[in-house]
Amino acid sequence: QKEVEQNSGPLSVPEGAIASLNCTYSDRGSQSFFWYRQYSGKSPELIMSIYSNGDKEDGRFTAQLNKASQYVSLLIRDSQPSDSATYLCAVNTYNAGNMLTFGGGTRLMVKP
Amino acid sequence: EPEVTQTPSHQVTQMGQEVILRCVPISNHLYFYWYRQILGQKVEFLVSFYNNEISEKSEIFDDQFSVERPDGSNFTLKIRSTKLEDSAMYFCASSEGPAYGYTFGSGTRLTVV
Repeated sequence: QKEVEQNSGPLSVPEGAIASLNCTYSDRGSQSFFWYRQYSGKSPELIMSIYSNGDKEDGRFTAQLNKASQYVSLLIRDSQPSDSATYLCAVNTYNAGNMLTFGGGTRLMVKP
Repeated sequence: EPEVTQTPSHQVTQMGQEVILRCVPISNHLYFYWYRQILGQKVEFLVSFYNNEISEKSEIFDDQFSVERPDGSNFTLKIRSTKLEDSAMYFCASSEGPAYGYTFGSGTRLTVV
């Protein structure tokens, strides 16, 4: 059973601060890792993908992957109130079935 | 930017009725998926579809559910004999391949009464 775990939050940060979101996964064979943002009542929106160990930066977002520790994180710099949403970690072990397994999400609240 | 289109956005149905949820994936994508999200819960995988057949399905996707690609653009999820616990948001998604992220449609909110 593939598991993806996230702290449900809420994680509250002041505007302009760095928000750090974490995710662990159980399947050591996992190969593709994604962060989605989901606003209340809306569909998940892909914001970052990462495939190899290390950091990947895209604008204010940095994804970090450590396969040895089975850990993925997302950093949001200069957090804005519009970043307030639920952030979903998703993992694909595509040699063992082509589907994304989602964590339960971390609710982020950015306070002005 | 290409998008996945889902219809209807809301569907209310009586328990025991059949519903068909419709999706138009992104045109050059080869992999199609249905997920559901019960209010306040995780996004759960239902089924993946590639090359005109089901490639994977979850335990949730039992004989009550079926998928079809009736033509070159539409991808449908049929739920027979709906139950109260089928009430959820149903998301269609498509991707270029297994290593790529999915693009989700805006969802169909199904309410079974």
